[in-house]
Amino acid sequence: NAGVTQTPKFQVLKTGQSMTLQCAQDMNHEYMSWYRQDPGMGLRLIHYSVGAGITDQGEVPNGYNVSRSTTEDFPLRLLSAAPSQTSVYFCASSYSSSGELFFGEGSRLTVL
Amino acid sequence: DQQVKQNSPSLSVQEGRISILNCDYTNSMFDYFLWYKKYPAEGPTFLISISSIKDKNEDGRFTVFLNKSAKHLSLHIVPSQPGDSAVYFCAASLTGNQFYFGTGTSLTVIP
Repeated sequence: NAGVTQTPKFQVLKTGQSMTLQCAQDMNHEYMSWYRQDPGMGLRLIHYSVGAGITDQGEVPNGYNVSRSTTEDFPLRLLSAAPSQTSVYFCASSYSSSGELFFGEGSRLTVL
Repeated sequence: DQQVKQNSPSLSVQEGRISILNCDYTNSMFDYFLWYKKYPAEGPTFLISISSIKDKNEDGRFTVFLNKSAKHLSLHIVPSQPGDSAVYFCAASLTGNQFYFGTGTSLTVIP
């Protein structure tokens, strides 16, 4: 009963470093997405994918890359981390683009 | 610009009473609305949803009301229980791929 699994749960980076947040789901969902949660800002969509090989930008895509080579995995890459990317990141999946989202437990990222 | 707004950051309610959480949106093209509940250090979990073709949807103690002319939706919890204490997010989507979330309302149910 894994659902949506995110790793790592916590990460500290220095400005300019790169890293990848991993997201995997075992529900055979076609739709996957990444959100960031900041105080007073709610959840904002970074990137999303409606199926393997298809990705698109959300509200706040700058500084992030994604790819979707399999149905199960949707990694989020920070190529050159900035302090403004300090946030809690949530991966979510859904059986369709308009269905309810199932969220992972979140990854807390701090960029110094 | 925030397309989905929750203007009350927090709400306190006595156990057994009704909790009413409010949400406003600006885009009249939104056609699907959802409420999520979030406990600390966990991801949000789906609570209840409503399509734009309806004005009410019930699921046990939870009822969502949609007023399209006012671009307003609300979540009613009756009766409120201490385990309902959490942050509640409303969300809206266009037919397609993007969900827009509000900033959340922290509900405290006092025993």
